[in-house]
Amino acid sequence: DQQVKQNSPSLSVQEGRISILNCDYTNSMFDYFLWYKKYPAEGPTFLISISSIKDKNEDGRFTVFLNKSAKHLSLHIVPSQPGDSAVYFCASGTYKYIFGTGTRLKVLA
Amino acid sequence: EAQVTQNPRYLITVTGKKLTVTCSQNMNHEYMSWYRQDPGLGLRQIYYSMNVEVTDKGDVPEGYKVSRKEKRNFPLILESPSPNQTSLYFCASSLLTSGDRNEQFFGPGTRLTVL
Repeated sequence: DQQVKQNSPSLSVQEGRISILNCDYTNSMFDYFLWYKKYPAEGPTFLISISSIKDKNEDGRFTVFLNKSAKHLSLHIVPSQPGDSAVYFCASGTYKYIFGTGTRLKVLA
Repeated sequence: EAQVTQNPRYLITVTGKKLTVTCSQNMNHEYMSWYRQDPGLGLRQIYYSMNVEVTDKGDVPEGYKVSRKEKRNFPLILESPSPNQTSLYFCASSLLTSGDRNEQFFGPGTRLTVL
């Protein structure tokens, strides 16, 4: 059973501090990993992705780290801002996608 | 404006009454996909299409049909809806070869209630 797991349903962080969202996966054959952000009453929006041949990808305040041996990826947001408050989904796949259950991030002003 | 549109945005129906949720994109994307979002289960892929007349099953295809007769449209068909298909549905599209970004653009969602 191919799975992508986000074990923390929610996370609260103070504005300006680092937010770390975690994701574990079971299938070592996954090629790409992606993070999406979702605000209420909107569709998810793409945030950042990483290929399985890399271990880090950065885009502004967002960095994704991939640890293939541990089958674990994490999203770091530095510094966190109130506008980052949303649900974050990790996902894996190329055309057939598996999504995690999401982590609700709340950034406190 | 580049976008994915879905109609209707909200729908309440009864068990067994056939319905279609439309999805259209104006970005000339080859790839389109349907997802459902349920509390505690995240997003689950229903069907996807890599081009016109090419469709394949996602993780939860049972009870759904799709068709891809035109590149821009990818309707989701529920031939005989049941209450367990009550959910929030999202359509998405992307280029087939997006490289590292592999980015899907999502529509605003369709909230379906089956009584």
